[in-house]
Amino acid sequence: AQSVTQLGSHVSVSEGALVLLRCNYSSSVPPYLFWYVQYPNQGLQLLLKYTSAATLVKGINGFEAEFKKSETSFHLTKPSAHMSDAAEYFCAVTGSGTSYGKLTFGQGTILTVHP
Amino acid sequence: KAGVTQTPRYLIKTRGQQVTLSCSPISGHRSVSWYQQTPGQGLQFLFEYFSETQRNKGNFPGRFSGRQFSNSRSEMNVSTLELGDSALYLCASSLDDREAFFGQGTRLTVV
Repeated sequence: AQSVTQLGSHVSVSEGALVLLRCNYSSSVPPYLFWYVQYPNQGLQLLLKYTSAATLVKGINGFEAEFKKSETSFHLTKPSAHMSDAAEYFCAVTGSGTSYGKLTFGQGTILTVHP
Repeated sequence: KAGVTQTPRYLIKTRGQQVTLSCSPISGHRSVSWYQQTPGQGLQFLFEYFSETQRNKGNFPGRFSGRQFSNSRSEMNVSTLELGDSALYLCASSLDDREAFFGQGTRLTVV
């Protein structure tokens, strides 16, 4: 069964600082991995996805993530935080076989950006 | 291109009642999934429908059910509501299982 662990339920950074949100996954087969962002009272917006192509994935709003199979990690980074990045971020992994349509999410990381 | 539309956005129901939530997927998407989001349990998978058939099911009691129509629109129903069913219910549609697009969600409050 697939699982996702996000290290740190809260991360706080200063505006302009590096953002690093950690995600480790467990999967019995090569996974598809995703990062989503959620603003208050909103749905989930896809930031980026890994689907077994390039290991360094670039997403929207300057975010990127690197798939490291040896570390079973898919950490999300952004070189310079902006106030508008404050939100909750979720890492997710798909199932396998006929369960591809099922996403398993991490517990989420709330990102706070200080001026 | 219209996104995933969920109706209603907000609902208040009384314990013991039942509720039906609706989801209209992106045009051309045949897979629709439902998730429950609560502060305590996070995002949990309810079920997935593909071409009117339930393809996957999460670990929820039988009070939670769903269906998908021939136009891919989906509904989920919760019967005999409990206080613990208060949550944000999210619907997602997908074209090829490699990217799920989410709606704004329905906020259900059970009193």
